[in-house]
Amino acid sequence: QVQLVQSGAEVKKPGASVKISCRASGYTFTKNYMHWVRQAPGLGLEWLGIINPSGGSAYYAQNFEGRVTMTSDTSTSTLYIELSSLRSEDTAVYYCAREGPIIALEYWGQGTLVTVSS
Amino acid sequence: DIQLTQSPSFLSASVGDRVTITCRASQDISSYFAWYQQKPGRAPKLLISAASILQSGVPSRFSGSGSGTEFTLTISRLQSEDFATYFCQQLNTYPWTFGQGTKVEIK
Repeated sequence: QVQLVQSGAEVKKPGASVKISCRASGYTFTKNYMHWVRQAPGLGLEWLGIINPSGGSAYYAQNFEGRVTMTSDTSTSTLYIELSSLRSEDTAVYYCAREGPIIALEYWGQGTLVTVSS
Repeated sequence: DIQLTQSPSFLSASVGDRVTITCRASQDISSYFAWYQQKPGRAPKLLISAASILQSGVPSRFSGSGSGTEFTLTISRLQSEDFATYFCQQLNTYPWTFGQGTKVEIK
């Protein structure tokens, strides 16, 4: 069965960077586009971008351009997202999600809480 | 960016009720549209893709309709496990955007 397992919670200071991983299993890693979505506490969902695990090409939401980097490691079926210049507004749960054959986010990781606090 | 206006933001209902949630897009998105259910502390769960296609394993009491700019999620007979927050999403144009959510609570 498809599983997306994310790395654990992080606490960072403003201005720092954070890198979260998402390990995929149960399917061919390179066959599906992957996305990152975040959710600030008690708030809605925000799409960060998409990556093609085969080749690593990525497209980022303009709000995060210059601060976000999405990468993939096909040898370990793992995705990464790195967000730099963190500020308190970046405090959120970050999710990886797999795009399905009909365009939608079919499978989700369990989420990684990133807390940005001085 | 395409804006999605979801209504209502909050809904109080009883088990057995018929519930309808609406999502309006700021421009035509064809059927590139999905609905998700989210329970506290959990990741969102895909219910419906392409505006009306029920995901495998999702109860048939859930249904979706619409195209263009107006979309609807209907729960025909609300069950206790359906009390959650529901989000709509457009997948027509990057950046993909979500509605602000509808919290369905027990009356």
